[in-house]
Amino acid sequence: GAVVSQHPSRVICKSGTSVKIECRSLDFQATTMFWYRQFPKQSLMLMATSNEGSKATYEQGVEKDKFLINHASLTLSTLTVTSAHPEDSSFYICSARGPSGGNTGELFFGEGSRLTVL
Amino acid sequence: DAKTTQPPSMDCAEGRAANLPCNHSTISGNEYVYWYRQIHSQGPQYIIHGLKNNETNEMASLIITEDRKSSTLILPHATLRDTAVYYCIVRVGTLDDMRFGAGTRLTVKP
Repeated sequence: GAVVSQHPSRVICKSGTSVKIECRSLDFQATTMFWYRQFPKQSLMLMATSNEGSKATYEQGVEKDKFLINHASLTLSTLTVTSAHPEDSSFYICSARGPSGGNTGELFFGEGSRLTVL
Repeated sequence: DAKTTQPPSMDCAEGRAANLPCNHSTISGNEYVYWYRQIHSQGPQYIIHGLKNNETNEMASLIITEDRKSSTLILPHATLRDTAVYYCIVRVGTLDDMRFGAGTRLTVKP
């Protein structure tokens, strides 16, 4: 099946710094990727939809200046958490629509990136 | 605006079938039912999806009622590795984003 890879899988940073998380579709092109965050013992919450070559669409309540999303190529989307604070500590997960050749609508998810802000 | 309702938790004995229910009484005619699962600290994994007919693949079976207001995911022979949170999601199809509800935490016990 299609593979989506995230990097880094774990990151620890100091409060006030910025952190970039990468999401790559390894064997297919993804015009659309989605970013989620997940707090402990909670479900995934959709943050934004990332479209290649255009601005991301953010869900209500998600600060676009706080969570910068760039989708500059068909295989890479990045999420940058700017001026991170402890409350931004979370599990961030990306997903991409599968390749059009075998597209049955399912999304493929990355392994997730756990951010800890000290 | 939860579109699905699932029990918060279920237990299942190893080797037995696990039947996970999902209510989606407001489902529209063009909405599919998708099932994903999430093993602790990993990204969600696609299991199966369907529109009207029952579906089966190497992982599971999906039984959708005739009125499409509910469905059941069946893991025919649950193993300890099937312990996870299972999410039932309805969406229009290939163009829709995917929004997760609370899911069902399935615990498979020896």
